[in-house]
Amino acid sequence: NAGVTQTPKFRILKIGQSMTLQCTQDMNHNYMYWYRQDPGMGLKLIYYSVGAGITDKGEVPNGYNVSRSTTEDFPLRLELAAPSQTSVYFCASSVSPAISPLHFGNGTRLTVT
Amino acid sequence: TQLLEQSPQFLSIQEGENLTVYCNSSSVFSSLQWYRQEPGEGPVLLVTVVTGGEVKKLKRLTFQFGDARKDSSLHITAAQPGDTGLYLCAGGRNAGNMLTFGGGTRLMVKP
Repeated sequence: NAGVTQTPKFRILKIGQSMTLQCTQDMNHNYMYWYRQDPGMGLKLIYYSVGAGITDKGEVPNGYNVSRSTTEDFPLRLELAAPSQTSVYFCASSVSPAISPLHFGNGTRLTVT
Repeated sequence: TQLLEQSPQFLSIQEGENLTVYCNSSSVFSSLQWYRQEPGEGPVLLVTVVTGGEVKKLKRLTFQFGDARKDSSLHITAAQPGDTGLYLCAGGRNAGNMLTFGGGTRLMVKP
């Protein structure tokens, strides 16, 4: 049972570079989310999706883009990396928002220098 | 400004001690979840509470949802080193809204 799988685990980017953080889930969950977690802090919602073809902004969407072409995959794109985007990124999925448990991946640690 | 305030932010105790961490808000939530996160991993759900005044127990962990559904607490009895981690509360407003996370309480239990 893979659950939510994120790749890569670690990445170092130079300012201005771009990259895609991959996320896939095998639980057939409609809802998927991207969070960022800064050192010693809780989780802030970047983007979320309620199903294939539908995405919406969360609390901190600036500098990021997402797509949801399939139920399983929800990649997060950084177009012009900035030092403020240094963080740990978590992808999660759930059956529904607010009540159902979120199933998290193990995170991608991104450093922008 | 955090919608959900967790306290304390950090807690370092000896094995065997009891502790309580708090999750407070001025807003009413329809549900409250508690997660534990270990280093290098994603958060894992411990419990969900949905009814005002509800108390749930998970071995040595006791979770309570406030009567007004604005706050919650997590009490750990006889803490063990395996309880070390970041404890996060997350509130849901209604079925269509996304969860809001608190800032977390980082717990260290020393042997």
